Amino acid sequence: GNSVTQMEGPVTLSEEAFLTINCTYTATGYPSLFWYVQYPGEGLQLLLKATKADDKGSNKGFEATYRKETTSFHLEKGSVQVSDSAVYFCALSVYAGGTSYGKLTFGQGTILTVHP
Amino acid sequence: KAGVTQTPRYLIKTRGQQVTLSCSPISGHRSVSWYQQTPGQGLQFLFEYFSETQRNKGNFPGRFSGRQFSNSRSEMNVSTLELGDSALYLCASSSGRPGQLYGYTFGSGTRLTVV
Repeated sequence: GNSVTQMEGPVTLSEEAFLTINCTYTATGYPSLFWYVQYPGEGLQLLLKATKADDKGSNKGFEATYRKETTSFHLEKGSVQVSDSAVYFCALSVYAGGTSYGKLTFGQGTILTVHP
Repeated sequence: KAGVTQTPRYLIKTRGQQVTLSCSPISGHRSVSWYQQTPGQGLQFLFEYFSETQRNKGNFPGRFSGRQFSNSRSEMNVSTLELGDSALYLCASSSGRPGQLYGYTFGSGTRLTVV
C-alpha cells in the first residue's frame, strides 16, 4: 500500500532560521507528491507539488524536490517568518486509473512554530 | 474565482442522529473527494466522486455515504452518529484530466461534534 512518513514534531524555530521537514514515502506505481499547509481553524492549502521524479516544486520561498532514488520529498525554506507557523502535511496520490484521480495519502503532519 | 465551499462550518449532533454535510466545488471541477481529520487518526480518505459516480472509497463503515449531483455539488451523510465521528470533515475538488492531476483544492471544512 501507500504511506507517507513525516519527521516528528513539533518544530520550533526563530525567525529567519532555515527550515527542513523530512518526508519519505512508499507507493505502488508513480505517485504525485504534495505539501499542504493548515492554519488554525482552516482547511488545507496546497503549498507545492511535484508530479514526476526530479521535479522541484516551489512556492512562497518553500521548495521540495521529488527524489525517486531516496523516495523523499523534503520541504525546505531558507528563512522562516512568524507567519509560517502552521501545520505542514506531506501527501501523495497515485493515479488509480479511469476517471479516478486517486486518493491523497497524508503524513501525520508537522507543527511548526516560529518565534520572533 | 470562488473556492470550495462547505456548509455548515460547525455542527453539533447527538449520538444516534444522522447528519448531512454539503460541498460545492470550484466551478468546472468535476471531481470531489471527502476526508475526515481527527487528532488520533489524522487525515483519512472517505470517498471520491466524478460525474455523479463514486470512483474510490476509503475504509469506513457503511454509515458513511455520499453522493454527487449533476452540477458537481456533493453531499456526505453519516447515519447513527457515534462519539468517534466527531471530526473535521474536509471536501476537496480536483481539476485536470484523469491521469494528469493538477491538484486538489480543499474547503475550510465542517467541524462536527457528536455529544
